[in-house]
Amino acid sequence: DTGVSQDPRHKITKRGQNVTFRCDPISEHNRLYWYRQTLGQGPEFLTYFQNEAQLEKSRLLSDRFSAERPKGSFSTLEIQRTEQGDSAMYLCASSRGLAEFYEQYFGPGTRLTVT
Amino acid sequence: GEDVEQSLFLSVREGDSSVINCTYTDSSSTYLYWYKQEPGAGLQLLTYIFSNMDMKQDQRLTVLLNKKDKHLSLRIADTQTGDSAIYFCAEGLDRDDKIIFGKGTRLHILP
Repeated sequence: DTGVSQDPRHKITKRGQNVTFRCDPISEHNRLYWYRQTLGQGPEFLTYFQNEAQLEKSRLLSDRFSAERPKGSFSTLEIQRTEQGDSAMYLCASSRGLAEFYEQYFGPGTRLTVT
Repeated sequence: GEDVEQSLFLSVREGDSSVINCTYTDSSSTYLYWYKQEPGAGLQLLTYIFSNMDMKQDQRLTVLLNKKDKHLSLRIADTQTGDSAIYFCAEGLDRDDKIIFGKGTRLHILP
């Protein structure tokens, strides 16, 4: 069990550029979550997947954000036309489905800086 | 509504007990969590308690839940320098899978 991994760990981009982050969940975890954490705040829920199906999206997830989990394993989060307000830590978490869905395990995060 | 509140800072002497408090608003919360975040690191699930429990103990950690007052606490016995971190209280609901986090309590250990 290698834990949740995220790539890249850091990303600096210019305003207006597109960025894509990847998350690899713990193997055999069929639920995958994305959260965003800004400085001095707790993580805020963005969206989650059960296998390849995206089941819920927060109102924080504007139409510039899109998340996919095409084969039910890794997931990508893309931000188009980045804005300075998108600067944050993007956290991915995974859990087993069904009886143990409440145990969400987090990855190290991708820190995005938009200049 | 969903809201989790906790104090932002706590200073404790090494070897003493630390008690971090939290209040939440959603009475339908099913799971209450404590996560730990060290500098530059992700969130580590420390412990959680179901809403039908009053207490849970796990080695140096004791979680107390007062459902009537919607109050959750985390006690860390014999606090060590390695306990220095931000501790997040969080609630989870049966009706969806998202976890609602507080802003975190920064625990500072005094020598």
